[in-house]
Amino acid sequence: AQSVTQLDSQVPVFEEAPVELRCNYSSSVSVYLFWYVQYPNQGLQLLLKYLSGSTLVKGINGFEAEFNKSQTSFHLRKPSVHISDTAEYFCAARSSGYALNFGKGTSLLVTP
Amino acid sequence: DAGVIQSPRHEVTEMGQEVTLRCKPISGHDYLFWYRQTMMRGLELLIYFNNNVPIDDSGMPEDRFSAKMPNASFSTLKIQPSEPRDSAVYFCASSLGTGWDEQFFGPGTRLTVL
Repeated sequence: AQSVTQLDSQVPVFEEAPVELRCNYSSSVSVYLFWYVQYPNQGLQLLLKYLSGSTLVKGINGFEAEFNKSQTSFHLRKPSVHISDTAEYFCAARSSGYALNFGKGTSLLVTP
Repeated sequence: DAGVIQSPRHEVTEMGQEVTLRCKPISGHDYLFWYRQTMMRGLELLIYFNNNVPIDDSGMPEDRFSAKMPNASFSTLKIQPSEPRDSAVYFCASSLGTGWDEQFFGPGTRLTVL
């Protein structure tokens, strides 16, 4: 089964600064990769997904992620964050079947 | 569509009591997933169904946990007897029947076992 590692448990950043949330996955076989966001007291919402094709994936709310097969990474980026981006971010992978394996999450805290 | 609906949103119970969590998936979705989220273990898949049939229950912690899906629009997750270590947020999610489809999550049920 896929395992997903999110390297940072917390990322503090100032408003309008760029941010990168790191994610690595374990397998070299074909894999589907996802980033989800969880706002306080809510369920998870899909930000973006990589299935195949272009390695740069654009998602909602100005986020994008780059798939790097050689480094088995799928880092999430945003060039300029807002206060409203404060949330928990989860990287997830699926290689077979329909179950997702989630990372432990990264808490993004945006301050003025 | 109203999205995935879970009830109750909060549940507080005492150790030893039976707890039943409920989920209504999005209409037309073939897959239903139950996840548990804790600070220590993060988000874990407990079980998932395809067309109401359990496909993989390897994540169910122990026999105290059981899940059913009697029809396409309803699923339950039952814990009997409950223990304090079961305290967590339980999420239900549903998706269409292809591997790359988004899983839509419900708002979760926050369970506290005293």
